[in-house]
Amino acid sequence: DTGVSQNPRHKITKRGQNVTFRCDPISEHNRLYWYRQTLGQGPEFLTYFQNEAQLEKSRLLSDRFSAERPKGSFSTLEIQRTEQGDSAMYLCASSLVLDRLSALGNTIYFGEGSWLTVV
Amino acid sequence: ILNVEQSPQSLHVQEGDSTNFTCSFPSSNFYALHWYRWETAKSPEALFVMTLNGDEKKKGRISATLNTKEGYSYLYIKGSQPEDSATYLCAPNGGSQGNLIFGKGTKLSVKP
Repeated sequence: DTGVSQNPRHKITKRGQNVTFRCDPISEHNRLYWYRQTLGQGPEFLTYFQNEAQLEKSRLLSDRFSAERPKGSFSTLEIQRTEQGDSAMYLCASSLVLDRLSALGNTIYFGEGSWLTVV
Repeated sequence: ILNVEQSPQSLHVQEGDSTNFTCSFPSSNFYALHWYRWETAKSPEALFVMTLNGDEKKKGRISATLNTKEGYSYLYIKGSQPEDSATYLCAPNGGSQGNLIFGKGTKLSVKP
């Protein structure tokens, strides 16, 4: 399977613990995105990377959240001191952008998501 | 901040019925509109990316139209099948290079 891969698929953690999710994008995709979905809502943008550079962060990404893409391939999303409100599905996506002009019309491919439950 | 509205919220149809959904978005600063189909326990599947006013795209029994001047897009499914049951999401680009703004989706259930 050469799609976007995320793990773990499910994580249950106690409030106050740290959790980390990993995303492996489609090979050679230079852009990688993180979204979050809560019940009854569509996915909400968190952040995205162009290669290893984090180019945009949403206001939803509080100080407890940090995302990295150190070598421009896989990415990790860490949530520190988890709260019950962090319970959601965390979606990763990737795309190949060849130039700025075509970037907005490029297809973005999503993974199956990582479910987080904070108890 | 874009406000994306999708209607209806949910839809129940019989196998063989044709159906359509609406996605409404602000017409100013439009860049592109993405449609996704999301089945339970699977990843969202990209259906269409539309950029030009008047665009019409088709993929099998599914087609979509785009009106950027009035800020809406329609998704049509001809002859619905049970395997079409899913949540259909639209997402205009938020004006930046990476930020899709998703609607809440339309949940379609097709009864055999």
